[in-house]
Amino acid sequence: EAQVTQNPRYLITVTGKKLTVTCSQNMNHEYMSWYRQDPGLGLRQIYYSMNVEVTDKGDVPEGYKVSRKEKRNFPLILESPSPNQTSLYFCASSFIEELNEKLFFGSGTQLSVL
Amino acid sequence: QKEVEQNSGPLSVPEGAIASLNCTYSDRGSQSFFWYRQYSGKSPELIMSIYSNGDKEDGRFTAQLNKASQYVSLLIRDSQPSDSATYLCASLGGKLIFGQGTELSVKP
Repeated sequence: EAQVTQNPRYLITVTGKKLTVTCSQNMNHEYMSWYRQDPGLGLRQIYYSMNVEVTDKGDVPEGYKVSRKEKRNFPLILESPSPNQTSLYFCASSFIEELNEKLFFGSGTQLSVL
Repeated sequence: QKEVEQNSGPLSVPEGAIASLNCTYSDRGSQSFFWYRQYSGKSPELIMSIYSNGDKEDGRFTAQLNKASQYVSLLIRDSQPSDSATYLCASLGGKLIFGQGTELSVKP
């Protein structure tokens, strides 16, 4: 089954404790991205990757890191989480055809930073 | 800052009515437009895409695009309670930008 697998589903942590949210896709997509979703603000892109070892900042990259060592995996790293990073996070992957970008989303990670 | 704007709602319609969801975008270079549906606690899923001015129909859903007015809409005919969700509009012009979403509630 084609899917984007994101873990964990829920995470509660404390300020400053490093954490990693994993994301893996089995559709051989070149493009992967991370979003955070906050009430009234919609989906905002954190980082994206066009292919292995190619990553770039989205609209809200501060406080986050990513890596793309393998095509299927795109982990999101919070080196020193802060309460303003409490949010719902989505990983997504896609193929990019001309004039078309259909995103496949993971099931989301609800992060609470205390 | 390129933006996509939606009324956050909630928009409430009775079952069987037409629900009309609207979206405006600021980037005139945007070429593709998308509507994603997101049920509460779930991830977004693509339901419609539109690239040319005019209407595009898919079952009970019709997407409308007016590039001159920078306006995109989604009509849902014969609305059902199962259509109750948040609908996200997105534009693609170099990068994909999402609006904040409109919450739709269909009352039986």
